[in-house]
Amino acid sequence: DGGITQSPKYLFRKEGQNVTLSCEQNLNHDAMYWYRQDPGQGLRLIYYSQIVNDFQKGDIAEGYSVSREKKESFPLTVTSAQKNPTAFYLCASSRKWAEANTEAFFGQGTRLTVV
Amino acid sequence: GNSVTQMEGPVTLSEEAFLTINCTYTATGYPSLFWYVQYPGEGLQLLLKATKADDKGSNKGFEATYRKETTSFHLEKGSVQVSDSAVYFCALKSSNTGKLIFGQGTTLQVKP
Repeated sequence: DGGITQSPKYLFRKEGQNVTLSCEQNLNHDAMYWYRQDPGQGLRLIYYSQIVNDFQKGDIAEGYSVSREKKESFPLTVTSAQKNPTAFYLCASSRKWAEANTEAFFGQGTRLTVV
Repeated sequence: GNSVTQMEGPVTLSEEAFLTINCTYTATGYPSLFWYVQYPGEGLQLLLKATKADDKGSNKGFEATYRKETTSFHLEKGSVQVSDSAVYFCALKSSNTGKLIFGQGTTLQVKP
């Protein structure tokens, strides 16, 4: 079955540590995204990638980094510079970045907690 | 810039009641409009979409009509079930920017 797989589902991090969240898709989609979701808020865009080897900052990129070395994979690193990293992180993909009529497909999310 | 505004929740209804969740948008160009649903602890799933003015998206008894004149895309369902309890997100995507922009989400709780 085609889809997006995020891992792990739950992640605990000590303050001062970097952690990497995995996102893999087998939908052959060009565009991939990372969103952050906080209680009672909508989704905020962290980073996006229109195509392999390319990525752009979203609205809240500070304290995060990404890479897009393979079409299927778009890992997100939450660095120690992110002041408030506890949140639910969602990865998504869509066929093309600029196609307005194509929807995004989402993974099941990773819940990150700083302890 | 582009934006989406949804009615604040939570919305609490009895089973078989009529549901409306309001969504209005501001956008340049010709956006497509989407409703996504999120069940507890899960990612988002596409519920329905409409890609041009006057289109009606529908799925699982839910429907929404793309109204350009009122810049709205309200979600409706004639008879809700307990299993419809979830968070509903309205979103738009414009080919001008490529970004998918979400409203803040509306929590629906349906009681038996």
